[in-house]
Amino acid sequence: DIQLTQSPSFLSASVGDRVTITCRASQGISSYLAWYQQKPGKAPKLLIYAASTLQSGVPSRFSGSGSGTEFTLTISSLQPEDSATYYCQQVNSYPLTFGPGTKVDIK
Amino acid sequence: EVQLVESGGGLVQSGGSLRLSCAASGFTFSDHYMDWVRQAPGKGLEWIGRIRKKANRYTTEYAASAKGRFTISRDDSKDSLYLQMNSLKTADTALYYCARNSETSSGHRLDYWGQGTLVTVSS
Repeated sequence: DIQLTQSPSFLSASVGDRVTITCRASQGISSYLAWYQQKPGKAPKLLIYAASTLQSGVPSRFSGSGSGTEFTLTISSLQPEDSATYYCQQVNSYPLTFGPGTKVDIK
Repeated sequence: EVQLVESGGGLVQSGGSLRLSCAASGFTFSDHYMDWVRQAPGKGLEWIGRIRKKANRYTTEYAASAKGRFTISRDDSKDSLYLQMNSLKTADTALYYCARNSETSSGHRLDYWGQGTLVTVSS
C-alpha cells in the first residue's frame, strides 16, 4: 500500500500569509494526487486534483504542485475561511489512501 | 445540483450488521464510479472502497479493513449506492460518507460528497 505523510500536522498563520503544506508518498504516484479541505462538522471538499488542477469554483489562491513522491498545496494569501483540515489522497493505485491531515489555524 | 444523501446509520452491537444507502441526484449516476469513505470520531479520512460503473462490470475495490466484511453495491435504476457491513467491530465506529468519483485524462477524484451517516458499534 502507498503511505502518505503530511507536514506539518498543524500550522497557525495570519491572514494574508502564504501557507504551504507538503504531502509525501512512500512510492512514486506520478501526478495522481488530490487535495481536500474539511471544515468541522462538514464533508470534505475537493480543492485540487491531478496534483495541480484547480477544481471548478475553488478560489485561485489555492494551488498545487509536485509529481512522483513530493507534492505541495499552497494558499497564496490565507483567508479566515481557510481555517480547516487539509488532506491529500493518492489515486494512483488501490487501495486509495489519504494523508493524516494538516490542521490550519488562523492566528 | 449534485446531491448525495446517506442513510442507514445507527447503533449496532459488535458482530452485527448494517446496510448503508446513498441516494444520488442531480447527475447521471450510472456514468460514475462511486466510493465510500469513513471518518472515526476526531480522526482522519479512511477510504473504504469503490464500485465501478456498468461498462466496467460493476467491479469493486476495497481497503484491507473492509475486505471480506463489507460489500459495496449499486442500483443504477434507483440512483443508489449501498454498503453492506457485516461482522462489525467497535473500530468501525465512524461517520460514513459516500462520494462521487469523476475521471478525466487527468485522473480520478472525489468531487462530490454526502454529509455522512454515523455508525456506532457498541461492545
